[in-house]
Amino acid sequence: SYELTQPPSVSVSPGQTARITCSGDALPKKYAYWYQQKSGQAPVLVIYEDSKRPSGIPERFSGSSSGTMATLTISGAQVEDEADYHCYSTDSSGIGVFGGGTKLTVL
Amino acid sequence: QITLKESGPKLVKPTQTLTLTCTFSGFSLSTSGVGVGWIRQPPGKALEWLALIYWDDDKRYSPSLKSRLTITKDTSKNQVVLTMTNMDPVDTATYYCAHTQGMTTSYYMDVWGKGTTVTVSS
Repeated sequence: SYELTQPPSVSVSPGQTARITCSGDALPKKYAYWYQQKSGQAPVLVIYEDSKRPSGIPERFSGSSSGTMATLTISGAQVEDEADYHCYSTDSSGIGVFGGGTKLTVL
Repeated sequence: QITLKESGPKLVKPTQTLTLTCTFSGFSLSTSGVGVGWIRQPPGKALEWLALIYWDDDKRYSPSLKSRLTITKDTSKNQVVLTMTNMDPVDTATYYCAHTQGMTTSYYMDVWGKGTTVTVSS
């Protein structure tokens, strides 16, 4: 079955740039999406179609994709950005797949 | 404004069938390109995509759970129902429904419900 691989954790100091990666063999042909999930809350879409930002999402959130790797970048991370981040895509059969999630610590 | 709300039992016994209902507003499931998906998250673990139903009744299921899942829609009631048979303690999780858009081979969830927690225990 298709897998998306993320690092379990990333840690940065406030104001630094946080980068979270997601690797998957189908990413050259499929879009990557990113969700932010704060403790006890439902996921929120922060990046869609590799690099587009939904309305209401701060400009410090950006996305990119190259080859088999997608990257979520948080420029000037804030304490309130501390959360779990999940990448998502679909496989060649049109089945949804999530990565294992990355816990971002900002302290 | 799109909203979704999950409802169903909080506790089910092993081997029982779970029935969850997603009641939504702000969109119609008869609109081209629109779907409703289900996702779950066991405590402390990753999100797991489960199933999707499209406006045209096209359905997709997680291969690992396909034999246990059924997804249906009632457009007139703005509801989507997910049933999962033969429940096991490992199915204990928070279950989310979400508004889904995109093509049938590439889609994503843009608005999520708050989720409902289901515990499987005797």
